[in-house]
Amino acid sequence: ETGVTQTPRHLVMGMTNKKSLKCEQHLGHNAMYWYKQSAKKPLELMFVYNFKEQTENNSVPSRFSPECPNSSHLFLHLHTLQPEDSALYLCASSQETVNYGYTFGSGTRLTVV
Amino acid sequence: QKEVEQDPGPLSVPEGAIVSLNCTYSNSAFQYFMWYRQYSRKGPELLMYTYSSGNKEDGRFTAQVDKSSKYISLFIRDSQPSDSATYLCAMSPVGGGADGLTFGKGTHLIIQP
Repeated sequence: ETGVTQTPRHLVMGMTNKKSLKCEQHLGHNAMYWYKQSAKKPLELMFVYNFKEQTENNSVPSRFSPECPNSSHLFLHLHTLQPEDSALYLCASSQETVNYGYTFGSGTRLTVV
Repeated sequence: QKEVEQDPGPLSVPEGAIVSLNCTYSNSAFQYFMWYRQYSRKGPELLMYTYSSGNKEDGRFTAQVDKSSKYISLFIRDSQPSDSATYLCAMSPVGGGADGLTFGKGTHLIIQP
């Protein structure tokens, strides 16, 4: 399997649930990212990990909690979300934090009810 | 003023037409400029990137950067229905990968057969 794989593809959760999004990359990249894509808005950077170390937390609410156990895996733990958190959550990876050449996964479509 | 402005469209053109997609930006530190294509239910995929000003051609696609005007363009020649997608411009400063990329909202392009 190659590229960046995200699971699940779709997720519906209640506001009191706890769930996790998973991302796995098979490209040998060292940096991984979480982005949020909402309708009619630009992609919003949430978190950056470089060599498993978090280097950026873009003022994301604490109900989103990232985890990067190694350079191939990235998780986004979700708890007590709000309906406005419904969006497409995209994972990406790159060779270190280069300026271009991000590879994106297909995303997890999250709906909070 | 938003950092990157991009008309969301939709832009609808007949098959075979030349398509012009554009973004303007305000941050003069941006040096790397990218175009991503995103099909429905998929993550963005990198089409082209350029560094600083100038043109770059790849098959039917040409990317142009005019840093003096803070304006970038993507031209698609002999457009095909398979080119129907959302096109996202993205940019970053030199050595700025740790902050991720700054994206436009994306332009929804429809090529009519």
